[in-house]
Amino acid sequence: QSALTQPASVSGSPGQSITISCTGSDSDIGNYNYVSWFQHYPGTAPKLLIFEVTKRPSGVSDRFSGSKSGNTASLTISGLQPEDDGDYYCSSYATGTSRVVFGGGTRLTVL
Amino acid sequence: QVQLVESGGGVVESGRSLRLSCAASGFSFSNYAMHWVRQAPGKGLEWVAVVSFDGFNKYYAESLQGRFTISRDSSKNMVYLEVNSLRPDDTAIYYCARDVKQLWFTGGFDYWGQGTLVTVSS
Repeated sequence: QSALTQPASVSGSPGQSITISCTGSDSDIGNYNYVSWFQHYPGTAPKLLIFEVTKRPSGVSDRFSGSKSGNTASLTISGLQPEDDGDYYCSSYATGTSRVVFGGGTRLTVL
Repeated sequence: QVQLVESGGGVVESGRSLRLSCAASGFSFSNYAMHWVRQAPGKGLEWVAVVSFDGFNKYYAESLQGRFTISRDSSKNMVYLEVNSLRPDDTAIYYCARDVKQLWFTGGFDYWGQGTLVTVSS
């Protein structure tokens, strides 16, 4: 059981927007602005999409955006493209022994 | 360019130990915390451990504490993960990753290695 809760799957059509939620607690998301999002295709290394809740690394499309409200962070992908099909994970800095926690992952299907 | 290259994976018998290595290049290694993250077959990403930029602070996933030891050698730009008393559920791809923030860590990983597969046989 992951410390952060994500929906198992979401889907959307090309051109649409989707949002993936990531729910934690006061010990992680609610207390720190250190939420990150990753895109992962099987057999490859994960790719950082968002860090510190809203920041995009250079080279990441501005179709990807992040936000946070209370204990829940969100990743929004606008203008869905077929290549966005894959797995998405959130992570957060946390208090306690496990200083970093992941969500269980969300499979995005672009219909 | 930043590169992280893991090694040391393979097939290991249950109960044995293993040391994974990660060779870093292309950046000021001593300025960044380094992490290990793993992914078991059919499962999601799981954070394993972090060593701070200066090597003084080390933290582990609570469920893994006691069997895993992370370390770094900044003279060689290397990060290590030692795993003792291996179990079949330690079977996973183990990734080395750099934290996005300098001089501390946030759990954002901006560079990853290609991973090294550890298979624990029972």
